[in-house]
Amino acid sequence: DAGVIQSPRHEVTEMGQEVTLRCKPISGHNSLFWYRQTMMRGLELLIYFNNNVPIDDSGMPEDRFSAKMPNASFSTLKIQPSEPRDSAVYFCASSLGARTGGLTGELFFGEGSRLTVL
Amino acid sequence: KQEVTQIPAALSVPEGENLVLNCSFTDSAIYNLQWFRQDPGKGLTSLLLIQSSQREQTSGRLNASLDKSSGRSTLYIAASQPGDSATYLCAVGLVGGKLIFGQGTELSVKP
Repeated sequence: DAGVIQSPRHEVTEMGQEVTLRCKPISGHNSLFWYRQTMMRGLELLIYFNNNVPIDDSGMPEDRFSAKMPNASFSTLKIQPSEPRDSAVYFCASSLGARTGGLTGELFFGEGSRLTVL
Repeated sequence: KQEVTQIPAALSVPEGENLVLNCSFTDSAIYNLQWFRQDPGKGLTSLLLIQSSQREQTSGRLNASLDKSSGRSTLYIAASQPGDSATYLCAVGLVGGKLIFGQGTELSVKP
C-alpha cells in the first residue's frame, strides 16, 4: 500500500490567498484526521471524519478553515483567506475505526504539507 | 479535558543504554494509547498501539506499558542506537475517535 498521500508537500503563498491541501487515505480505512503541527502548540487535531462524515470539527480554528470528504478516498482542507499565523505543517492521517466512530486501529500519517503564508 | 504530558522534553544518552520515556494523561477513560516516532521533516510513524484492556506491547527492542489507573505509559528502548534518534510522541485515543498528543520527547543517541 502507498500509505497516506498528501499534496502539496510544500506550499508558499501570500496572505489572503486561498490554500487547498489534499489527502488520500489508505484504502479500506474509514477514519480520516487532519492535524496541524507547530513548534509552539505541537500537534493539534483540527477535524476528523468517520465514513466520510465529519464527527468533530471543534479543533478548526476559525471559519476561514473548512474540510470536506466527498468520498472514501479523498479529503481536502481549505483555508480562505490564509494568514501568516496559519503557517504550519498540516498532517492527514487515517485508520480503521469502528463503525460507531471509536478508534480501534493504528493511526497512519502522511508526510505532511508544509504551509508558509507570507 | 484530557491532557497528555511527556517527560523529559529532551534526552541525550550514549549508544547502548537502555532508556525509558514517560507519558502521563489526566483522564483514565481512554480507548487506547499509541506511541509514535517522528524524524525531522517527516510524518509520524506508529511504533506501538496498546488497547485499553492491555498492559503492554512489545516490538523488537521497544516495549510500551500502560497503567490506566495511574494515568501513565512508558516506552522502554533497549540497547539504544544512533538510529533511534528522533522525537517520540504518545497519544491517547478517546471514545469517539479523538487522539490527543503529548508534546513529545526529543531523543538523541550519541555514538
